[in-house]
Amino acid sequence: EAGVTQFPSHSVIEKGQTVTLRCDPISGHDNLYWYRRVMGKEIKFLLHFVKESKQDESGMPNNRFLAERTGGTYSTLKVQPAELEDSGVYFCASSQAQGVARAFFGQGTRLTVV
Amino acid sequence: DAKTTQPTSMDCAEGRAANLPCNHSTISGNEYVYWYRQIHSQGPQYIIHGLKNNETNEMASLIITEDRKSSTLILPHATLRDTAVYYCIVRVGSLLGGGADGLTFGKGTHLIIQP
Repeated sequence: EAGVTQFPSHSVIEKGQTVTLRCDPISGHDNLYWYRRVMGKEIKFLLHFVKESKQDESGMPNNRFLAERTGGTYSTLKVQPAELEDSGVYFCASSQAQGVARAFFGQGTRLTVV
Repeated sequence: DAKTTQPTSMDCAEGRAANLPCNHSTISGNEYVYWYRQIHSQGPQYIIHGLKNNETNEMASLIITEDRKSSTLILPHATLRDTAVYYCIVRVGSLLGGGADGLTFGKGTHLIIQP
């Protein structure tokens, strides 16, 4: 069974540019989550989708971040315009049922804004 | 803010049992204890979770004190591949589903397995 996959694995962009991260959850998992670890800080929750609907986006830092999950399959996280403080590792996770402890994480996308 | 307290780092000899403590003195009755780990450059990995009874799976054992204010994750025969940051997380949930979803990662314990 394929795990959670994220694209790209690394991205280096200039301040002010736009970047789109993609996450493909495990097939059949309705729940999809985005997290990020900014350099030197803890892993922080960003938002949670149930199918195509945003269940909880309380962790989104500001309106430069836009997450979508059209059709309830893969999800994208767009940062526009990117700022230096957005650098970090962005993780995606999926789970079969809401609240289930076992969430499966992807390998992450390392974003560097220069 | 994380509701748990863990040591910053620990060492363990390869082949020995690694015992990772976690304090969660403010845990509520409907909150579970979860353990995840993050091996360098990989995404977090679920290990085990429990409510009040001790739990065991193919990866580890979880021992929760009777008052539920602390717990210990036990890796019975640690290998070099178990070197990672281990996170103890307390959150509302259930064995099957329901409850709040976002995981709150603290700083975790950096476990170093020595050859």
